[in-house]
Amino acid sequence: DGGITQSPKYLFRKEGQNVTLSCEQNLNHDAMYWYRQDPGQGLRLIYYSQIVNDFQKGDIAEGYSVSREKKESFPLTVTSAQKNPTAFYLCASSMVGQGNQPQHFGDGTRLSIL
Amino acid sequence: GQQVMQIPQYQHVQEGEDFTTYCNSSTTLSNIQWYKQRPGGHPVFLIQLVKSGEVKKQKRLTFQFGEAKKNSSLHITATQTTDVGTYFCAGSTRDDKIIFGKGTRLHILP
Repeated sequence: DGGITQSPKYLFRKEGQNVTLSCEQNLNHDAMYWYRQDPGQGLRLIYYSQIVNDFQKGDIAEGYSVSREKKESFPLTVTSAQKNPTAFYLCASSMVGQGNQPQHFGDGTRLSIL
Repeated sequence: GQQVMQIPQYQHVQEGEDFTTYCNSSTTLSNIQWYKQRPGGHPVFLIQLVKSGEVKKQKRLTFQFGEAKKNSSLHITATQTTDVGTYFCAGSTRDDKIIFGKGTRLHILP
């Protein structure tokens, strides 16, 4: 059964620490996305990638980094430079085509600061 | 910058009443998507509208895309407790950027 898997479900970060959130998909989608969702807010785009070994900054990329070494995987690192990292992080994937295609989301990772 | 405004932010309705959420864009959109996020869950794709003036129905849900392709609405007839959640619109711009609205959180009163 195809889908997107995010791990871990909950993550705690200490001050000055980098943490990496995992996102894996077996939908054979070319495009993958990372969003941040704060309570009562919409989704804000952090990074996206439309092809392996290439990615672009979204609206709030500062303090985050990504890699896309494999089509199936798009890990997000929350660096110590991100001063307010507590949020719900959602990974999504979609086909690439004319116009934006429907996005499939993972279950998310909730990141908190210790 | 380009924005997609969604109203209302919250809506409480009695079970059985109708519900509508509206999306308005500052620029013309190439298409618009609607998603539903249940409490504690992740957004799930509902539908995509592409054509000017398009209307699509899914059971009790009716989706509309405005003639100018700058606004859209989602209407739910006779709400049920399973409709609880946050409904997001997401507009696609001509340069293929996708912009999510902030969502409308629907509460159903039994």
